Amino acid sequence: QVQLVESGGGVVQPGRSLRLSCEASGFTISSHHMHWLRQSPGKGLEWVAVISFDGTNRYYTDSVKGRFTISRDNSKNTLSLQMDSLRAEDTAVYYCAKEITNHYFDNWGQGTLVTVSS
Amino acid sequence: EIVLTQSPATLSLSPGDGATLSCRASQSISTYLAWYQQKPGQAPRLLIYGASNRATGIPARFTGSGSGTDFTLTINSLEPEDFAVYYCQQRASWPLTFGGGTKVEIK
Repeated sequence: QVQLVESGGGVVQPGRSLRLSCEASGFTISSHHMHWLRQSPGKGLEWVAVISFDGTNRYYTDSVKGRFTISRDNSKNTLSLQMDSLRAEDTAVYYCAKEITNHYFDNWGQGTLVTVSS
Repeated sequence: EIVLTQSPATLSLSPGDGATLSCRASQSISTYLAWYQQKPGQAPRLLIYGASNRATGIPARFTGSGSGTDFTLTINSLEPEDFAVYYCQQRASWPLTFGGGTKVEIK
């Protein structure tokens, strides 16, 4: 069955970097646009970034533009999020998600917690 | 950015009751809306997309309706497993945005 497993979360100081990975199984990511979303503790959901199925197009929410980079390795069936210049407000559970169609998310990972704190 | 406003914030109901959840968009989004259910410690689960299409495996007691700026998620006869937080999400324009959620709790 479809499974997404995130890794790479942890505690990091403000201004530092972290790289999240999402390993997919049960389907081929090369056929799908893939996304990162996040949820701050006790708060609602926020979409972060998307990468097209072939990696040619990427969009980001304004608050992470220039700091985060989404990428994919279709040969390894893996999605990544490079997060630089981290801020306290980036603290959240980060989810990778697959589109069912047209930017709706039918499969999510279990999430990985990123805590930005000194 | 399109803002989605969900109401009420909390709905206190009993198993067997019906639930009506609202999501209002700050501008017209046609039928480009989805609904998700989230339980504590879990990732969201897609219930409805395209305003009224049930996702695979979603029971028929979940119904989505609406277009333009006003949308509704109706849950007929709440089951114990339906008590959760529900979010709406729009895909009409970037950035994709979510509503603040409605918590359906046991009365």
